[in-house]
Amino acid sequence: GQQLNQSPQSMFIQEGEDVSMNCTSSSIFNTWLWYKQDPGEGPVLLIALYKAGELTSNGRLTAQFGITRKDSFLNISASIPSDVGIYFCAGDGSSNTGKLIFGQGTTLQVKP
Amino acid sequence: DAGVTQSPTHLIKTRGQHVTLRCSPISGHKSVSWYQQVLGQGPQFIFQYYEKEERGRGNFPDRFSARQFPNYSSELNVNALLLGDSALYLCASSFWDRGYTFGSGTRLTVV
Repeated sequence: GQQLNQSPQSMFIQEGEDVSMNCTSSSIFNTWLWYKQDPGEGPVLLIALYKAGELTSNGRLTAQFGITRKDSFLNISASIPSDVGIYFCAGDGSSNTGKLIFGQGTTLQVKP
Repeated sequence: DAGVTQSPTHLIKTRGQHVTLRCSPISGHKSVSWYQQVLGQGPQFIFQYYEKEERGRGNFPDRFSARQFPNYSSELNVNALLLGDSALYLCASSFWDRGYTFGSGTRLTVV
């Protein structure tokens, strides 16, 4: 079945540093989504990508939809303590089924 | 505007019991999807409903069922609960295949 490989599994960085994480898949996806999840909460959508090669920014966050449609990355610039959480990538490859495939998550910790 | 609303927030059940979880989508969203998130993992797709019809089903046993009502709210039912069903159950609403927005989830503990 479809699987997403998300890396790194965890990151511990200093406040102000830039962060990069990525997802790869053996399958093609039509949509790539990036979510952040805080403890006890549901995932919150950060960035949605709908076209191969698309580069989209949301404040300090930038994400790209890989040209092969099998990968995506998320960059966070100038990290701050509130960036702490678990970041998930999700791909939607099956049109009309609403089935998102999630990566295993990247746990980000920021040291003030 | 209200986001995706799920109830209850927490639930403790005994093995063998059944449970019903509820979800109200964002106003105007006609699609509701259900996901199971086990601790330390990403969410796993269970069902999607659109306009009251099942449009997608994940790899879950028949003990799991769902339905969508005319007002687009949805219920997820799980019968004959097992310890392994303990998880955070998430509901996401969307406008067809765009803008998946998740609720805060229902934390189910099976003892």
